Amino acid sequence: QQKVQQSPESLIVPEGGMASLNCTSSDRNVDYFWWYRQHSGKSPKMLMSIFSNGEKEEGRFTVHLNKASLHTSLHIRDSQPSDSALYLCAASDSGYNKLTFGKGTVLLVSP
Amino acid sequence: NSKVIQTPRYLVKGQGQKAKMRCIPEKGHPVVFWYQQNKNNEFKFLINFQNQEVLQQIDMTEKRFSAECPSNSPCSLEIQSSEAGDSALYLCASRRDWGGDAEQFFGPGTRLTVL
Repeated sequence: QQKVQQSPESLIVPEGGMASLNCTSSDRNVDYFWWYRQHSGKSPKMLMSIFSNGEKEEGRFTVHLNKASLHTSLHIRDSQPSDSALYLCAASDSGYNKLTFGKGTVLLVSP
Repeated sequence: NSKVIQTPRYLVKGQGQKAKMRCIPEKGHPVVFWYQQNKNNEFKFLINFQNQEVLQQIDMTEKRFSAECPSNSPCSLEIQSSEAGDSALYLCASRRDWGGDAEQFFGPGTRLTVL
């Protein structure tokens, strides 16, 4: 069973709109959450990370974390066509730090 | 931008053949991970190293897969006898230390197709 669940599987938002992506871990040993973006044919690139309860904002991207429920969300405001990609949520613990990825959300921003 | 180098970018093998891919981690990154991403975007952790030492690996890696990170040479991942189910994107990632907050930087990957 997948330890990191992402929703929705796919999402279409208009250019300039807000995209909201969700991620929950079922592993209580998780300490760190990561959001990666992978454009088609490319490797994953880290967008944002969050390790403590609350919110973190970087430009058009905001990430939230609730450690009690092991739920994180990524919000992209003023979405651009170049944001169209596969968004991957990953979690890691304090041990060997391997990343456990969800299956991703495919975001399509329509012009 | 990540400076993890992976070669070759594409690899085509027949079933039962050996498949070998290489990774040069970013300079100053002693920690290396290998992941497999299949066509359904499912990631599977395979093995990780700190310098030349294997820290953790999954059962699959212990049987048909072998990997090493020799001193002063590229890291490598080799599949001894390729199977159709091994067709995937193999991603190498490196990080600067074992701190839990240290980011993993991914290379471009080696896309393996087993015919």
